[in-house]
Amino acid sequence: GAVVSQHPSRVICKSGTSVKIECRSLDFQATTMFWYRQFPKQSLMLMATSNEGSKATYEQGVEKDKFLINHASLTLSTLTVTSAHPEDSSFYICSAKGQGPSYNEQFFGPGTRLTVL
Amino acid sequence: TQLLEQSPQFLSIQEGENLTVYCNSSSVFSSLQWYRQEPGEGPVLLVTVVTGGEVKKLKRLTFQFGDARKDSSLHITAAQPGDTGLYLCAGVVGAQKLVFGQGTRLTINP
Repeated sequence: GAVVSQHPSRVICKSGTSVKIECRSLDFQATTMFWYRQFPKQSLMLMATSNEGSKATYEQGVEKDKFLINHASLTLSTLTVTSAHPEDSSFYICSAKGQGPSYNEQFFGPGTRLTVL
Repeated sequence: TQLLEQSPQFLSIQEGENLTVYCNSSSVFSSLQWYRQEPGEGPVLLVTVVTGGEVKKLKRLTFQFGDARKDSSLHITAAQPGDTGLYLCAGVVGAQKLVFGQGTRLTINP
């Protein structure tokens, strides 16, 4: 099956710093990648959709200047949380969608737990 | 805004019992998916239902899509402790966007 990895799996940072999270599709080319946020004991909320080589489309209420998304290649998307604050602490999950027989399926990464002190 | 209401949000039952989780919306979805998520991990797709009235079975799990494609249910027969987890339904909007329900946290006690 298609594999999506995320790095790092956990990160702790100080308030005011920026954190970059990587999402990679390991064995397929991801034409589209999605970034979700999940608070404890809650569901996944879509933050943005990114297509390779173009600007990300952000969901309503998500600050594009705070959550910078780059999808520079067909196997890598990055989410940078800029000037992080404690309220940005959350579980961030990416998913990737590619081509081929499973083109309509999103494959999820294992998530990155961000803690901002 | 398309919303999916999942119920119950929490369910704790004994091993061997049956259970049903519901996913309801006022909106029509092109398809609906069910995921299972373990703590600290990403969701894993269990099934996709596409046609109104469709029923799919995955061992002891039975998934049904409503005739009007607005609701779905997940029925587990003879639940086992290994079924414990967070179950999420997600409606597919347009070509690719997923709208998730709040999730059902299921605990099966030995």
